[in-house]
Amino acid sequence: GAGVSQSPRYKVAKRGQDVALRCDPISGHVSLFWYQQALGQGPEFLTYFQNEAQLDKSGLPSDRFFAERPEGSVSTLKIQRTQQEDSAVYLCASSSTDGFEAFFGQGTRLTVV
Amino acid sequence: AQSVTQPDIHITVSEGASLELRCNYSYGATPYLFWYVQSPGQGLQLLLKYFSGDTLVQGIKGFEAEFKRSQSSFNLRKPSVHWSDAAEYFCAVGPGGNEKLTFGTGTRLTIIP
Repeated sequence: GAGVSQSPRYKVAKRGQDVALRCDPISGHVSLFWYQQALGQGPEFLTYFQNEAQLDKSGLPSDRFFAERPEGSVSTLKIQRTQQEDSAVYLCASSSTDGFEAFFGQGTRLTVV
Repeated sequence: AQSVTQPDIHITVSEGASLELRCNYSYGATPYLFWYVQSPGQGLQLLLKYFSGDTLVQGIKGFEAEFKRSQSSFNLRKPSVHWSDAAEYFCAVGPGGNEKLTFGTGTRLTIIP
């Protein structure tokens, strides 16, 4: 596709359930970012991949959050034992080797009930 | 640590009126600065970016922004707003290249007829 694709668009999870959020970056984009956007806030950095290497995971809020990009393209953000405070929009972005512009997907809205 | 301040949470302007959204940043080196727009239920779309050179940058949809190093500001302007400009606007700063961005909390723009 032409843009960054995220699925599902909406996810409702019961507290304690595990969830997996998928990101398909723009083809050929080396860098991939995950951000978390709480209601009424700006996006906050979670983690960053260059190809399959996770170079920065300093923004992951707890060890319940895990991200992978095993083949350097599609990425999955996994949240284990979801809590209410995990409710947010999760945004994925990708950029090419020159890295001057990050293209964002539409996000996955996660609601934990 | 880098940070971005958008002092106006919500701005209302009349259609056809001029617009200025404020952004102040804190960054230890020469920053890469961005303005993104987010419509309801959508991802972030890049309006414009500043890396170096001319401090007045032009973007899409008739927007422009001016980098003022002495004031640590990067304010977004538009001479005449359209109803379709109603959205959330985010200023962001980063070290450039394939690096994470730090976003402000956003300014919600409402357009009245």
